[in-house]
Amino acid sequence: AAGVIQSPRHLIKEKRETATLKCYPIPRHDTVYWYQQGPGQDPQFLISFYEKMQSDKGSIPDRFSAQQFSDYHSELNMSSLELGDSALYFCASRLGGEYTDTQYFGPGTRLTVL
Amino acid sequence: AQSVTQPDIHITVSEGASLELRCNYSYGATPYLFWYVQSPGQGLQLLLKYFSGDTLVQGIKGFEAEFKRSQSSFNLRKPSVHWSDAAEYFCAVGGYAGGTSYGKLTFGQGTILTVHP
Repeated sequence: AAGVIQSPRHLIKEKRETATLKCYPIPRHDTVYWYQQGPGQDPQFLISFYEKMQSDKGSIPDRFSAQQFSDYHSELNMSSLELGDSALYFCASRLGGEYTDTQYFGPGTRLTVL
Repeated sequence: AQSVTQPDIHITVSEGASLELRCNYSYGATPYLFWYVQSPGQGLQLLLKYFSGDTLVQGIKGFEAEFKRSQSSFNLRKPSVHWSDAAEYFCAVGGYAGGTSYGKLTFGQGTILTVHP
């Protein structure tokens, strides 16, 4: 079965650079969630989209922005990177409209900021 | 606000022993509860979920969990642990929090399981 695809899987950036993380949801899934998991931490919700509209916002820094495109893939744009942004970034997708449905997680993008 | 507490940061068991991982939640509405497992550097795999109905739910890999509303708990159990179960386990709560807040998950701090041969 198709799963959530995230690219790149690993990314190394310098401080103050920008990064773009991509998420391709499971086919037909129209809801995407982004989570950030710092070293030794639990995943923290950043932002979500339903039908290409932002549906919820968590502890996402103003330096970050995200959007969902017409094909439902999503991109997380991160600017002025800081050392503290080093983390594993997960994307999850769900068939929207029924919030009881399961979120399926991608393998994550490991971002290292030097 | 929703929150999840996993009281045990690290648990060590012998292979073949039984296992119980604790999870307590706080949620203003009907909670939807999940257990995920994560191997080092890997993604999150869903073990099981509770939405409604039977309070004892069965999951993959021989895991089960029991929802106890009176105790705000959703503990994960396995009768006989295998060495391959060594990983980090996260309990999470989600649901409808109002407006367009559909289903974001709040995770507990995680419990690291070590299995001795």
